[in-house]
Amino acid sequence: EDQVTQSPEALRLQEGESSSLNCSYTVSGLRGLFWYRQDPGKGPEFLFTLYSAGEEKEKERLKATLTKKESFLHITAPKPEDSATYLCAVQAGTNAGKSTFGDGTTLTVKP
Amino acid sequence: EAQVTQNPRYLITVTGKKLTVTCSQNMNHEYMSWYRQDPGLGLRQIYYSMNVEVTDKGDVPEGYKVSRKEKRNFPLILESPSPNQTSLYFCASSLTSGGLSEQFFGPGTRLTVL
Repeated sequence: EDQVTQSPEALRLQEGESSSLNCSYTVSGLRGLFWYRQDPGKGPEFLFTLYSAGEEKEKERLKATLTKKESFLHITAPKPEDSATYLCAVQAGTNAGKSTFGDGTTLTVKP
Repeated sequence: EAQVTQNPRYLITVTGKKLTVTCSQNMNHEYMSWYRQDPGLGLRQIYYSMNVEVTDKGDVPEGYKVSRKEKRNFPLILESPSPNQTSLYFCASSLTSGGLSEQFFGPGTRLTVL
């Protein structure tokens, strides 16, 4: 059974204080790892897809990296508008339609 | 505007009263999926559909039914709702049938079963 664990559960940062969110996974044959952002009361919004170890993707203050066991979402010089819950999800194995999500990390950035 | 719509957005019902939550996408996506989200938890997949007339169970399918008769619609049916199905429900769609492209999510349906 695919497992996805995100840490920490919650993270409070001062504006400008860089940090990283972790997503560790245990799957059989990773096909893709996804990062989403979710604002309160809304549906998740796509951020990145990573397919293989060593891959990195960047978007504004966010950078996602992938190893064989985990992914990191690095946030550089965050702003209050980066406050949200960040979700990690994997698709793996031969069951092409199945997605497994982690419980998320809730990020709060104080001005 | 490309979007996934869900109706209703909020629903309060009683145990055992059949209900349907509709989901529609206007992006011609092959893949659609339903998730539930409970406080402090991520999304758990209920059912998904790789294409018209093709559906399969996710991790928590008990008590739910789906159908995919048209490409754009993927309704979620609770034939006899129970209080443990009180949750926030999201529908999502994705361009490819493998779902490996990013998923677009609807705004959510908050369901309360008394």
